[in-house]
Amino acid sequence: EADIYQTPRYLVIGTGKKITLECSQTMGHDKMYWYQQDPGMELHLIHYSYGVNSTEKGDLSSESTVSRIRTEHFPLTLESARPSHTSQYLCASISESNEKLFFGSGTQLSVL
Amino acid sequence: GEDVEQSLFLSVREGDSSVINCTYTDSSSTYLYWYKQEPGAGLQLLTYIFSNMDMKQDQRLTVLLNKKDKHLSLRIADTQTGDSAIYFCAEFYYGQNFVFGPGTRLSVLP
Repeated sequence: EADIYQTPRYLVIGTGKKITLECSQTMGHDKMYWYQQDPGMELHLIHYSYGVNSTEKGDLSSESTVSRIRTEHFPLTLESARPSHTSQYLCASISESNEKLFFGSGTQLSVL
Repeated sequence: GEDVEQSLFLSVREGDSSVINCTYTDSSSTYLYWYKQEPGAGLQLLTYIFSNMDMKQDQRLTVLLNKKDKHLSLRIADTQTGDSAIYFCAEFYYGQNFVFGPGTRLSVLP
């Protein structure tokens, strides 16, 4: 099964704070993704990476940034959180060999 | 562009079969997937089918693919209350990213 981890699981912060959502996978996958999802709603791709030092913006415009310095680590950063950033953030990775997209448990972010 | 459509809601009685439908637009899809999401959780891969297959069965789950109509369905036999969740259909083709449908919320009534 998948070994992809997200921390924190839940986060409540005040407006203007800088935060980093962590995502790590131990499967050696090259492709990793960040999705934003409001409760029970569609998934929106906000960032993806095809490997180390590769990052791209997704379909949904986002004020967040990402980095990919190591294969296993794909953190997402919000420089100045706003209430409109309140959402669930899902990290995922895929193995090219079996074409399965695995998801982490998500981070539920609430910005007050 | 690519698009994946699903009906948003489905209610069934416990013990009945559930059929969740999905249509997609990209005929070059290589794999089609069904994911399950429970409240507050990530997406769990339930099953997937390669585009050159018509059917795949895995215990209570049956996936049917009609390539001509670009229609994918997920049948859950003997639906249980634990099957209540949102089910996402997704397509993937080489060199591109995944495209997800809006999700179907399945409610299982006692």
